[in-house]
Amino acid sequence: DAKTTQPTSMDCAEGRAANLPCNHSTISGNEYVYWYRQIHSQGPQYIIHGLKNNETNEMASLIITEDRKSSTLILPHATLRDTAVYYCIVRVVSGGGADGLTFGKGTHLIIQP
Amino acid sequence: SQTIHQWPATLVQPVGSPLSLECTVEGTSNPNLYWYRQAAGRGLQLLFYSVGIGQISSEVPQNLSASRPQDRQFILSSKKLLLSDSGFYLCAWSVSGTVVNQPQHFGDGTRLSIL
Repeated sequence: DAKTTQPTSMDCAEGRAANLPCNHSTISGNEYVYWYRQIHSQGPQYIIHGLKNNETNEMASLIITEDRKSSTLILPHATLRDTAVYYCIVRVVSGGGADGLTFGKGTHLIIQP
Repeated sequence: SQTIHQWPATLVQPVGSPLSLECTVEGTSNPNLYWYRQAAGRGLQLLFYSVGIGQISSEVPQNLSASRPQDRQFILSSKKLLLSDSGFYLCAWSVSGTVVNQPQHFGDGTRLSIL
């Protein structure tokens, strides 16, 4: 899996958009970008993933640069419950089962009231 | 919709005692199932995965074993716990088959402390 680089921590005001960057300059053509988050003492929560087009779901938007070397996760209206560690992962998933996830240190996003 | 359940949420066990953690998935059939361990301040470590009933693959040699007696049930066991088995144990599922790039979905985990 390609390596990713994320800021250690970020602050965002409640109600504002939270923009979390991720660098993945060694990404391969068939590797997807995945985002998960983990709230303290809970299991990781899947947020979104994409290959090269921007993606949006009910939780967030994922913006991938044209060269695919970086991406940004956008939480459009952050709430206090969005305070968590956010993990950016770049990988190919085979579907055969042996696709364990590896999380780096992630970004600790703190939403300020 | 699909849901995943793990229990117990927390567990305190003495060294040398047995262990059984259970995970069940609802709302899907024939999922891929996973057991992970997350040590304090560290990342995820894949322990076992299963692509079907009775099919278990181990990723790391250890004191633990896994079983899948039913399609949507995954059990993590040990005959004799070690101090090093302490950690946060997570069960996850994903869509199986030839569909690629399906995300994994995690349960809320079991926090295991060995005394």
